[in-house]
Amino acid sequence: EVQLLESGGGLVQPGGSLRLSCAASGFTFSSYAMSWVRQAPGKGLQWVSSISASGGSTYYADSVKGRFTISRDSSKNTLYLQMSSLRAEDTAVYFCAKSPVAAADNWFDPWGQGTLVTVSS
Amino acid sequence: DIQMTQSPSTLSASVGDRVTISCRASQSISSWLAWYQQKPGKAPKLLIYKASSLKSGVPSRFSGSGSGTEFTLTISSLQPDDFATYYCQQYNSFPLTFGGGTKVEMK
Repeated sequence: EVQLLESGGGLVQPGGSLRLSCAASGFTFSSYAMSWVRQAPGKGLQWVSSISASGGSTYYADSVKGRFTISRDSSKNTLYLQMSSLRAEDTAVYFCAKSPVAAADNWFDPWGQGTLVTVSS
Repeated sequence: DIQMTQSPSTLSASVGDRVTISCRASQSISSWLAWYQQKPGKAPKLLIYKASSLKSGVPSRFSGSGSGTEFTLTISSLQPDDFATYYCQQYNSFPLTFGGGTKVEMK
């Protein structure tokens, strides 16, 4: 069974940094693209970032470009999202999600349970 | 960027009703569209990909149709477990984008 387990969320001050992790199991992690999608409280879904299976291609929403970095470690079956210069508008539940193939421009299935990031002073 | 517009934003329906949710893309996305179901406090779940392909294990009362810029998610006979929020998502090009969501609530 495919499982994705996010961690690393919490309360951080504006301008601060945080690193999210997503531990993957139940599939060959290195063969599939992965993504982060967020959902602000009471709002809809917003794609944040994706990384190809090899890690050689990364993609970002304009709202996080230059502040967030996606990466993966296939030896640890873990996806990361390094977030810096955090703003109040980054407050959201962050989900990691698996793509069906190596390329990142695809649908998401499954999703992790999410981790809450709160940016507030 | 490709904008995805869902309608209606809220839909009131009863068990057994046929429900239709629309999703419009601001430019052609061929059939590169997925539909998700999300319940409060839970992660979204994939229902349909490639506009009309039903994910294995998803009840057959769910169906998707459309191509180009106009898409539809249909629930043929609404069941109690189907009250939730539904999102469309295009994966034709980056940035990947979602519709604003349609909440299906009990009438």
